[in-house]
Amino acid sequence: SAVISQKPSRDICQRGTSLTIQCQVDSQVTMMFWYRQQPGQSLTLIATANQGSEATYESGFVIDKFPISRPNLTFSTLTVSNMSPEDSSIYLCSVVSGSGGAVNIQYFGAGTRLSVL
Amino acid sequence: SQQGEEDPQALSIQEGENATMNCSYKTSINNLQWYRQNSGRGLVHLILIRSNEREKHSGRLRVTLDTSKKSSSLLITASRAADTASYFCATPPSNFGNEKLTFGTGTRLTIIP
Repeated sequence: SAVISQKPSRDICQRGTSLTIQCQVDSQVTMMFWYRQQPGQSLTLIATANQGSEATYESGFVIDKFPISRPNLTFSTLTVSNMSPEDSSIYLCSVVSGSGGAVNIQYFGAGTRLSVL
Repeated sequence: SQQGEEDPQALSIQEGENATMNCSYKTSINNLQWYRQNSGRGLVHLILIRSNEREKHSGRLRVTLDTSKKSSSLLITASRAADTASYFCATPPSNFGNEKLTFGTGTRLTIIP
């Protein structure tokens, strides 16, 4: 298992500003994932943060809007840039713990609830 | 697009009753997982069932998997108020080694005391 600390837990931001969300894991992990969950919806994967290489973004998400850093095997940040009210969501980081392959249970941070005014 | 579609979208039952929610998926899978999310918090892994298993139990949870129908069900027996949450099924791609998961649409379960 893995314990993930995510912060901030919530924030209210003004349109046009940026917010950086931090995710700290208590053990070294290869992959970290960033998800967005819009109100009342399921989770949508934004990108996979790989240590030592650029993040891999999913369709519909771009680096300029959601830059990601992964300086080491226990830490990652997601920035939501130039925010608009449509960015109001819960943002979640997760990691995989297990032997890989078919065992890919994910452990999640508590999430960051973002409201953009 | 979402791999898993869940039904019902919302379910309200009396405490002590059993709750059943279903998940359908589209492509071949190695395993299927169920997660719980309490009121907009992070998700918690509940149970994993492999593609060669048909049924699995964990405490008050029972999961079934029918790969011919590409469907799974999660049964919570003797429900409690603390079971109130959203439940999501999740599937990885079929190619070995890929750790990404695709989450279903979710079922919002409300247990009425």
